[in-house]
Amino acid sequence: QKEVEQNSGPLSVPEGAIASLNCTYSDRGSQSFFWYRQYSGKSPELIMFIYSNGDKEDGRFTAQLNKASQYVSLLIRDSQPSDSATYLCAVYASYDKVIFGPGTSLSVIP
Amino acid sequence: GAVVSQHPSWVICKSGTSVKIECRSLDFQATTMFWYRQFPKQSLMLMATSNEGSKATYEQGVEKDKFLINHASLTLSTLTVTSAHPEDSSFYICSARPGQGASGELFFGEGSRLTVL
Repeated sequence: QKEVEQNSGPLSVPEGAIASLNCTYSDRGSQSFFWYRQYSGKSPELIMFIYSNGDKEDGRFTAQLNKASQYVSLLIRDSQPSDSATYLCAVYASYDKVIFGPGTSLSVIP
Repeated sequence: GAVVSQHPSWVICKSGTSVKIECRSLDFQATTMFWYRQFPKQSLMLMATSNEGSKATYEQGVEKDKFLINHASLTLSTLTVTSAHPEDSSFYICSARPGQGASGELFFGEGSRLTVL
């Protein structure tokens, strides 16, 4: 079992719709969870981080965490073409390392 | 957010030569930095954890004699790819974590794209 799993996509949504990205992780001791966005050929940039169960909202982005289910998600409301990128889920594992999922490719269609 | 600078952004070298990549935290001190490698259309794979003043910790399968890591100060870590070969061509990205504790939030450098001819 991989440590961090994501749907590889590609995920296509129309402009203005909600994009839903999912991530599961295997280490129950994981403490912090991150969503990074990566444009092709560029380095990842942090979008959201979440530590506690529940929802965290920041602008058009909402992160949801359920530690019992070992599940974290990212919702992007009012999706824009500029949101088209690969979204990486990252988990700060109990053994003091940040492990990345394979990423989900998102395409927002104008 | 915190700023991490990486240099060079691009490097092309001949097979058998060595290449050094620098990673600097510009506005914070980083006792720990991380080096990742990313092949096309793949995710980031952790290569090693760089600890200031001590030896780096390498992930399984990463040759420590080939990928030399030095973390001599709280703001600088270097990765040297020794005797580079075409299969070492990749996107190398460093990251650093401000402070310590459970947050784990990482900030990334711009990345260095290495092409070995």
